[in-house]
Amino acid sequence: RKEVEQDPGPFNVPEGATVAFNCTYSNSASQSFFWYRQDCRKEPKLLMSVYSSGNEDGRFTAQLNRASQYISLLIRDSKLSDSATYLCVVNNYGQNFVFGPGTRLSVLP
Amino acid sequence: DAGITQSPRHKVTETGTPVTLRCHQTENHRYMYWYRQDPGHGLRLIHYSYGVKDTDKGEVSDGYSVSRSKTEDFLLTLESATSSQTSVYFCAITPQDSYEQYFGPGTRLTVT
Repeated sequence: RKEVEQDPGPFNVPEGATVAFNCTYSNSASQSFFWYRQDCRKEPKLLMSVYSSGNEDGRFTAQLNRASQYISLLIRDSKLSDSATYLCVVNNYGQNFVFGPGTRLSVLP
Repeated sequence: DAGITQSPRHKVTETGTPVTLRCHQTENHRYMYWYRQDPGHGLRLIHYSYGVKDTDKGEVSDGYSVSRSKTEDFLLTLESATSSQTSVYFCAITPQDSYEQYFGPGTRLTVT
């Protein structure tokens, strides 16, 4: 089992749709959690850190469930510009960052 | 903009040749990282640095070495490139007291 797993995708959704991504992690001692987006042939860019209480940034909401060891990302009112690959990242300790394989999203007009 | 640049941005080289990739940052961040990204894999850590001349191995360090003689520069060297090292290489930093990583634009390396 991979240490960080994500929905395999791709997700193809119409503009305006709500889409949710899930990520599970296997190390119960994981400490910090993040969502990144990566456009084709570009570097990953931090989208959100994920806090235990959940957090929201505009159309994006991230949730963390430590008991079940999963993280979610909800995108409301999808825009064409949201098309990208979304990476779940977990920090276990020190400088040990583990990246999920990513879930690709295509928002269609 | 995290002030990270990478050079070269693209390189094609032959098997057996040495290759050095450079990561440069302008904001005196202590932690710097080198990752590689390949289809079917998430980003995988090659080496990281926690200060000048302080480095440690990551998950996929075999065949790679690093050096950090100045805070702003972190070099990744492939002593003798192999075709399995064809990849996209990303440099990253984390600001002080944070685990949020910020990435450079990447270097596409092809080993023929």
